[in-house]
Amino acid sequence: DAGVIQSPRHEVTEMGQEVTLRCKPISGHNSLFWYRQTMMRGLELLIYFNNNVPIDDSGMPEDRFSAKMPNASFSTLKIQPSEPRDSAVYFCASSLMTGGETQYFGPGTRLLVL
Amino acid sequence: AQTVTQSQPEMSVQEAETVTLSCTYDTSESDYYLFWYKQPPSRQMILVIRQEAYKQQNATENRFSVNFQKAAKSFSLKISDSQLGDAAMYFCAYRSGRGGATNKLIFGTGTLLAVQP
Repeated sequence: DAGVIQSPRHEVTEMGQEVTLRCKPISGHNSLFWYRQTMMRGLELLIYFNNNVPIDDSGMPEDRFSAKMPNASFSTLKIQPSEPRDSAVYFCASSLMTGGETQYFGPGTRLLVL
Repeated sequence: AQTVTQSQPEMSVQEAETVTLSCTYDTSESDYYLFWYKQPPSRQMILVIRQEAYKQQNATENRFSVNFQKAAKSFSLKISDSQLGDAAMYFCAYRSGRGGATNKLIFGTGTLLAVQP
């Protein structure tokens, strides 16, 4: 079975541009998580979904960030407009919804905003 | 709020030797799960091992084992017979067992493990 799939793997963009990151969770998983990893803040949760519904978006930095999950097999994280401080590795992870289930991570998207 | 602390920013071990990475956590919950993830230079987050808090027996996965001390809120990772491929950043993580809005992983700051040939 395929793992969590993320695209693109690398993204270089200029400040002010819109960036869209994509994620396909493991088939059958009903929880999806977006994490961000930076040197300063480490790994932090941005938002997560249960059964396609956003449950906790308290980690979303500001209104420039938005996330959607239109169906069980696809999610997007959008940054508009992007800023240099958004440069980071963005991970998508999925799991079963039951408490304590292991989260499986995608390979991440390395974003550089110039 | 729950916190996870990894007090060793860097560790080094000789190939074939054993190394222990430390992790402590703080929580008022009784039902939770603890994980160790490995992040090699490729940046992929790979699950190493998982421990359920209600289990007294320490989890093991081949050369990897944990020392789970619930009362002390300690969760260390032991790597036996270290291999060059074990070189990576290791993250300790906590997840509540309550589910729902508490489903997120809370990570420590990581320990960078170097393996010397």
